[in-house]
Amino acid sequence: NAGVTQTPKFQVLKTGQSMTLQCAQDMNHNSMYWYRQDPGMGLRLIYYSASEGTTDKGEVPNGYNVSRLNKREFSLRLESAAPSQTSVYFCASSAEQGLRNQPQHFGDGTRLSIL
Amino acid sequence: KNEVEQSPQNLTAQEGEFITINCSYSVGISALHWLQQHPGGGIVSLFMLSSGKKKHGRLIATINIQEKHSSLHITASHPRDSAVYICAVRGATNKLIFGTGTLLAVQP
Repeated sequence: NAGVTQTPKFQVLKTGQSMTLQCAQDMNHNSMYWYRQDPGMGLRLIYYSASEGTTDKGEVPNGYNVSRLNKREFSLRLESAAPSQTSVYFCASSAEQGLRNQPQHFGDGTRLSIL
Repeated sequence: KNEVEQSPQNLTAQEGEFITINCSYSVGISALHWLQQHPGGGIVSLFMLSSGKKKHGRLIATINIQEKHSSLHITASHPRDSAVYICAVRGATNKLIFGTGTLLAVQP
């Protein structure tokens, strides 16, 4: 069972370059999330999608855009990468809808360095 | 002050020891999650609870809603338990708020 698949696993970019992080889940989950993880800080929510066709900003959305392409896929785009966006990025999904609590399933992460 | 505080930040134990990791939070919640992150980075959900106690193998999670406190216990610890343990709460915004994690090292 694949679960949540993120690509790529590692990436090095130069300042100003753009790239898209891909995420796909095969669990038929409604909700998908993008987080970043930085040293000494808890995971922080960048964007989320409560259902296909909807996206909303999280805690740290500046410099990012997202697309919920279909129920399976949720991509994160950096239009003009900055060194402050060096981080580990995690995609997650859950069966959560509305107020019903469900565990989140995480991908393996993408380690992104911006030079 | 962070809304979710974990203690200790770092913990070293000998194989076989009983381990407790604590999580305190300052907001109203609908659920609390315990997650495990192994070296190499993958994150796995261990427990989701809103009251009482849950057990899975050697892991036990408890929550006291009135005291806004949860504990994760590991019995008969093993080197393979070495990981970062993360507490997260689902607050009024329905989004998860994460603690900074507890780095556990279990030595043989």
